[in-house]
Amino acid sequence: GAGVSQSPRYKVAKRGQDVALRCDPISGHVSLFWYQQALGQGPEFLTYFQNEAQLDKSGLPSDRFFAERPEGSVSTLKIQRTQQEDSAVYLCASSLVLGGAPVIEQFFGPGTRLTVL
Amino acid sequence: GNSVTQMEGPVTLSEEAFLTINCTYTATGYPSLFWYVQYPGEGLQLLLKATKADDKGSNKGFEATYRKETTSFHLEKGSVQVSDSAVYFCALRAWGGGSYIPTFGRGTSLIVHP
Repeated sequence: GAGVSQSPRYKVAKRGQDVALRCDPISGHVSLFWYQQALGQGPEFLTYFQNEAQLDKSGLPSDRFFAERPEGSVSTLKIQRTQQEDSAVYLCASSLVLGGAPVIEQFFGPGTRLTVL
Repeated sequence: GNSVTQMEGPVTLSEEAFLTINCTYTATGYPSLFWYVQYPGEGLQLLLKATKADDKGSNKGFEATYRKETTSFHLEKGSVQVSDSAVYFCALRAWGGGSYIPTFGRGTSLIVHP
């Protein structure tokens, strides 16, 4: 497809398990963002990549959260030792870059809904 | 810091009614403003945007005007349809300090009845 895809769409984990969430951006999109969306809230920034470089990870809530984009396309968000407060929808968005900065329009994937029991 | 405040939902309307969803913001730097829409089970989609004061963004019958004097970007539509039922997010991206991280509001759910 032409859009951003994410997998899995739903993930249930027991507390303490590690999870890996995948994002396939639109082909050619240099910029990639990860967001966390708690129930009834707007998306909260987690981290930003430009190609394979992670330029900003200031939104990652703890050192249990780790993201990578080794070849500058697919990205994986990993959460180690999951906790109940990690339950949320994790959104990925990609965009083109102009002048070294992501352009205004981001294209969002459908998200992965993580439930930690 | 940057913040976006939206009116709480749900907003429930009958088809063909007039819609307003209020959005106000605070920002360092000079922000661009956006409205995103999220249909059930889907990702956010950019609905409209405005990049400078007094700009009006419009799309699919929706409009919003960038009001710097009142720091507002209210979303309006003259006649809503059942298919407009979704969650609407107001967002900003301010360019101060080289930051390009968007800030989103909490979202406002719109329910339109036939």
